Amino acid sequence: DAKTTQPNSMESNEEEPVHLPCNHSTISGTDYIHWYRQLPSQGPEYVIHGLTSNVNNRMASLAIAEDRKSSTLILHRATLRDAAVYYCIRIGQGAQKLVFGQGTRLTINP
Amino acid sequence: EPEVTQTPSHQVTQMGQEVILRCVPISNHLYFYWYRQILGQKVEFLVSFYNNEISEKSEIFDDQFSVERPDGSNFTLKIRSTKLEDSAMYFCASSEDYGSYNEQFFGPGTRLTVL
Repeated sequence: DAKTTQPNSMESNEEEPVHLPCNHSTISGTDYIHWYRQLPSQGPEYVIHGLTSNVNNRMASLAIAEDRKSSTLILHRATLRDAAVYYCIRIGQGAQKLVFGQGTRLTINP
Repeated sequence: EPEVTQTPSHQVTQMGQEVILRCVPISNHLYFYWYRQILGQKVEFLVSFYNNEISEKSEIFDDQFSVERPDGSNFTLKIRSTKLEDSAMYFCASSEDYGSYNEQFFGPGTRLTVL
């Protein structure tokens, strides 16, 4: 049980921002939110993670709701290479394994 | 940038045969993992490994599966007697540490086809 809910698919246009939502309404106080993505025919790739505060890195931004029941992965300027399945994953303290759901399949139109 | 490598990229075997999938994790990482993804399905956790022993395994990881770190660099997954349903992509991953703030780095995968 992945314990997160994401839309099955989303579509956006190249060079536009993309907001990928994730619902984790049963999250506990110590669970981190991680995002991974899987490009076609490749292994999963780490994108970003956070606990409470919004986070930025070179790949994306992560906005976490104040009540932590949802979060949004933001790709500021999508490229064709960003077409992938994006997974939102809760990870508890001491956890080792990643529990993948179905994720959101992101299509980028040229 | 350091990366996880896996060999072979594609393995074809007959049902009942033994296969060994190989992985070279990132050199300073201490935690190692195997996941699999049956075509069209979710990525599923198989096993995690630390300090030369299994630290966690899933229900999928039954007696037919074993893992080993035979030397300082390789991490292997052995399937003793393959079944048709073992056909999948197998991904190796590694991380510096475990826990909720550690990222796992995945290899490109080995596609296992059991005939």
